[in-house]
Amino acid sequence: ELKVEQNPLFLSMQEGKNYTIYCNYSTTSDRLYWYRQDPGKSLESLFVLLSNGAVKQEGRLMASLDTKARLSTLHITAAVHDLSATYFCAVGDNDMRFGAGTRLTVKP
Amino acid sequence: DSGVTQTPKHLITATGQRVTLRCSPRSGDLSVYWYQQSLDQGLQFLIQYYNGEERAKGNILERFSAQQFPDLHSELNLSSLELGDSALYFCASSHPIQGQDEKLFFGSGTQLSVL
Repeated sequence: ELKVEQNPLFLSMQEGKNYTIYCNYSTTSDRLYWYRQDPGKSLESLFVLLSNGAVKQEGRLMASLDTKARLSTLHITAAVHDLSATYFCAVGDNDMRFGAGTRLTVKP
Repeated sequence: DSGVTQTPKHLITATGQRVTLRCSPRSGDLSVYWYQQSLDQGLQFLIQYYNGEERAKGNILERFSAQQFPDLHSELNLSSLELGDSALYFCASSHPIQGQDEKLFFGSGTQLSVL
């Protein structure tokens, strides 16, 4: 069964700092997704990574995919408070499986 | 607004009861997915339908069933409810096109409380 592991599960950052969230998965997949969930809200798609070496950037977030290592990273640059949320990676096709989520808190 | 509509937003019921959750996908989306989110289990994939047919099945209990109707809306039926079924149930939709990404658009969820 496909397993998706994220770390860290909890991340407290100072504003202006950089950090990386890691997502490992157990079976071969050429597509990986990152989602954001604000407290009490639904999930919002951030990135779709469709091939080995894919890199996508939106604002202070950059996601990359290494299919050989079965690893994706979500890099946060110069964090701001508005980035506080839970970030999920997800892998799969018809049965998309989600990691446990990384709860990010950005403090002033 | 994702365009995915879920009703009701909140549901409070008792153990042993049966409830139906409803989902209307985005206009034109053929796939509907159901997920259960709880603090201890995280986001669990339950089931996917594509154009009325079951496409994939995840950790869905036998007490739970779903279907997708000809107008593409979907219903998730939960029966013989237990306390542990209390969770946030999300519906998501997508419109898979060959060679393109298939990101999911999530509804706002139905919060089920079983007392």
